[in-house]
Amino acid sequence: SQTIHQWPATLVQPVGSPLSLECTVEGTSNPNLYWYRQAAGRGLQLLFYSVGIGQISSEVPQNLSASRPQDRQFILSSKKLLLSDSGFYLCAWSVGQPGIEKLFFGSGTQLSVL
Amino acid sequence: AQSVTQPDIHITVSEGASLELRCNYSYGATPYLFWYVQSPGQGLQLLLKYFSGDTLVQGIKGFEAEFKRSQSSFNLRKPSVHWSDAAEYFCAVGGGNTGGFKTIFGAGTRLFVKA
Repeated sequence: SQTIHQWPATLVQPVGSPLSLECTVEGTSNPNLYWYRQAAGRGLQLLFYSVGIGQISSEVPQNLSASRPQDRQFILSSKKLLLSDSGFYLCAWSVGQPGIEKLFFGSGTQLSVL
Repeated sequence: AQSVTQPDIHITVSEGASLELRCNYSYGATPYLFWYVQSPGQGLQLLLKYFSGDTLVQGIKGFEAEFKRSQSSFNLRKPSVHWSDAAEYFCAVGGGNTGGFKTIFGAGTRLFVKA
């Protein structure tokens, strides 16, 4: 069966420090991969999505970047965190055509930038 | 551009009462519509999905949703709410031809259930 792993579950980082969040999917090949951010009291904002290795689409210009070094690995990074980067980050995957198939979500990373 | 509006930030219902969560969407073509549920501190789980066919869609946990094209709505309903239904609910729209092949979520509605 397919599983998605996202870590760490909780992270507290100082302003200006780097960030690396990792997400891996098991049990499927060539998944579509997504990073969403959920700010307190707000909905999910799509940050990045990828339909293949090395293919990254950015939805919102910001302080973050994403990479997909392997088929089932998706990494969210920042060189210098801002206070506004705080939030709940969710990785998700789907198969088939993006946007029309159900998303499977990881359990999320709560990032606090202080 | 595609968008989703959930007009109610939070709703409180009594256990055993009926529930309706509102969702309106904007989309240039035939939309794929979803409802997801999120328990505190967790990821999201799909409740149901609509693309075509019968406009009344049945989902898991006793939920259903009705697609009304004329109103651009996809409201979620449950005839009798249980305390375990307390969570945050997200409506989402996706598709292929327009919107860049991605799923866009509404801001969510938090459901509180009182005894």
